[in-house]
Amino acid sequence: EADIYQTPRYLVIGTGKKITLECSQTMGHDKMYWYQQDPGMELHLIHYSYGVNSTEKGDLSSESTVSRIRTEHFPLTLESARPSHTSQYLCASSGKANNEKLFFGSGTQLSVL
Amino acid sequence: GEDVEQSLFLSVREGDSSVINCTYTDSSSTYLYWYKQEPGAGLQLLTYIFSNMDMKQDQRLTVLLNKKDKHLSLRIADTQTGDSAIYFCAESDTGRRALTFGSGTRLQVQP
Repeated sequence: EADIYQTPRYLVIGTGKKITLECSQTMGHDKMYWYQQDPGMELHLIHYSYGVNSTEKGDLSSESTVSRIRTEHFPLTLESARPSHTSQYLCASSGKANNEKLFFGSGTQLSVL
Repeated sequence: GEDVEQSLFLSVREGDSSVINCTYTDSSSTYLYWYKQEPGAGLQLLTYIFSNMDMKQDQRLTVLLNKKDKHLSLRIADTQTGDSAIYFCAESDTGRRALTFGSGTRLQVQP
């Protein structure tokens, strides 16, 4: 059973605000990921981490930043939200098994007005 | 780079079988996955197959892999209305940092 949690579930916010999307997992997974999902369903990797103090940018350029101070926590921050940031953000984690199965959180639907 | 392609939409009647297809380009793919996403939710892993296998069956789900043609399919037997969702194909290899996902196939099951 996957134990990965994202908050908030929905966020509607005005332009220029700073926001942090939370992601926590209780499975002790080293690898964590943030995906951005377009309205047309496609997922794009924007950040990933292979462990504490390790963060890398993904395939899709994003103005967001991430941090990994603790194994279980991988928050994503937007310093100044814009309408172009409106999207669904999905957090995922995977363990050390070779099959690289990803476990996903329920997502945060962000709307920037 | 790696590419995974799926058809966008499939509609079937309740009780029929559904077959969702996927093609990929990376010949060094190690594992291939099927994920299900219900409206407003995250992705749920349905099943996966190792690249040296041709077929994997798990209850109503059958995964077929044609490695030569780089073609993966997911067959859902006796499709139910609860199977209506978006289905994502994904692939990985051990040298890459994350899974590569297809754009998803929306399955609509009509009563």
